[in-house]
Amino acid sequence: AQSVTQLGSHVSVSEGALVLLRCNYSSSVPPYLFWYVQYPNQGLQLLLKYTTGATLVKGINGFEAEFKKSETSFHLTKPSAHMSDAAEYFCAVIPNTGGFKTIFGAGTRLFVKA
Amino acid sequence: DAMVIQNPRYQVTQFGKPVTLSCSQTLNHNVMYWYQQKSSQAPKLLFHYYDKDFNNEADTPDNFQSRRPNTSFCFLDIRSPGLGDAAMYLCATSTDSKTQYFGPGTRLLVL
Repeated sequence: AQSVTQLGSHVSVSEGALVLLRCNYSSSVPPYLFWYVQYPNQGLQLLLKYTTGATLVKGINGFEAEFKKSETSFHLTKPSAHMSDAAEYFCAVIPNTGGFKTIFGAGTRLFVKA
Repeated sequence: DAMVIQNPRYQVTQFGKPVTLSCSQTLNHNVMYWYQQKSSQAPKLLFHYYDKDFNNEADTPDNFQSRRPNTSFCFLDIRSPGLGDAAMYLCATSTDSKTQYFGPGTRLLVL
């Protein structure tokens, strides 16, 4: 069965430092890949997604992610963290089999220190 | 603005008393989802509709039902809420693009 692994349930960075949130998926066929962000007591918001084409995907708020098929990874990065980036981040996949079921990773809570 | 609306934002019910959560969308998306999210956990898919085609997850308890009377509205019915059903319930929509648009959620408290 398809699964999504986010390494690190909590990540803490200083303001201005690089943000790196890790995501690996298990699938022999590359799925649709997503990163969502969730602020407290709110729904999820799409940061970026990969379907086909260019493997480096740029999203909102300065985030980007690179699809690496050989590593089955889709890590999320941001060059310089801002206090407002503190939130929960979910990596998610939809298997490329024509369905709509989304499989979420367990989430990574990002803390940003002043 | 086109959006996904969930009412109410907070719902308090009594143990065993049926409760209905509602979701509406102005995006005209053909897919609608209901998720349950407990504290510090990922959203757990309960079911989704592709148009009127209902897709139930195998591990969704029978206590949870859903209705989609038209494209815009979708309801989550919890027939006999237990303490373990206290959670945030998220509604989302999508199209063939697969991107999901989430509502703000309804936080359910069971007393």
